[in-house]
Amino acid sequence: GAVVSQHPSRVICKSGTSVKIECRSLDFQATTMFWYRQFPKQSLMLMATSNEGSKATYEQGVEKDKFLINHASLTLSTLTVTSAHPEDSSFYICSAKPAGVGGELFFGEGSRLTVL
Amino acid sequence: QQQVKQSPQSLIVQKGGISIINCAYENTAFDYFPWYQQFPGKGPALLIAIRPDVSEKKEGRFTISFNKSAKQFSLHIMDSQPGDSATYFCAASRFRGADGLTFGKGTHLIIQP
Repeated sequence: GAVVSQHPSRVICKSGTSVKIECRSLDFQATTMFWYRQFPKQSLMLMATSNEGSKATYEQGVEKDKFLINHASLTLSTLTVTSAHPEDSSFYICSAKPAGVGGELFFGEGSRLTVL
Repeated sequence: QQQVKQSPQSLIVQKGGISIINCAYENTAFDYFPWYQQFPGKGPALLIAIRPDVSEKKEGRFTISFNKSAKQFSLHIMDSQPGDSATYFCAASRFRGADGLTFGKGTHLIIQP
């Protein structure tokens, strides 16, 4: 199956710093990528949808100035958590939808963010 | 408003038994219904998916049953094995996944040896 890679898999940072998470589709082009957030023992919540070359669409309640999303190419989307605080600690997961293929979304392995 | 309701929250099944997880949705515009398996610390992995034009889909030990009129769908895991112990999420989306997935709250499945 198609592979989606996330980096870093784990990151620990101090409160107030910014952290960038990368999501790459390794063997296909993804016109659309999605970012999810998952708290422990909870479900995945869609944060935003990013389309290559255009601004991301954020879900209600997600601060676009805090969670900056860039989808600069058909294989790379980045999520930057700006001025991180302990409540931003979570598991961030991206998924990618191959261009021209219906339905199936491929998920990355997730990135565990811990803000001290 | 929770658009996809999943039950049970947790489930314990004996090895070799059938695991059944149910989901109900509200949005009739949903047209894609996947099930995902997630192990601790990992991203979700697609198990099986169905579209509303069929009532059942089977892949190996995994079967999705879909009831469009009731707006319900379920996952059956036949001959459940300890390696199936994981968290399972149902999900739904519109436009064949083009606008992202709405997930159920998950079911923590334990298969006892």
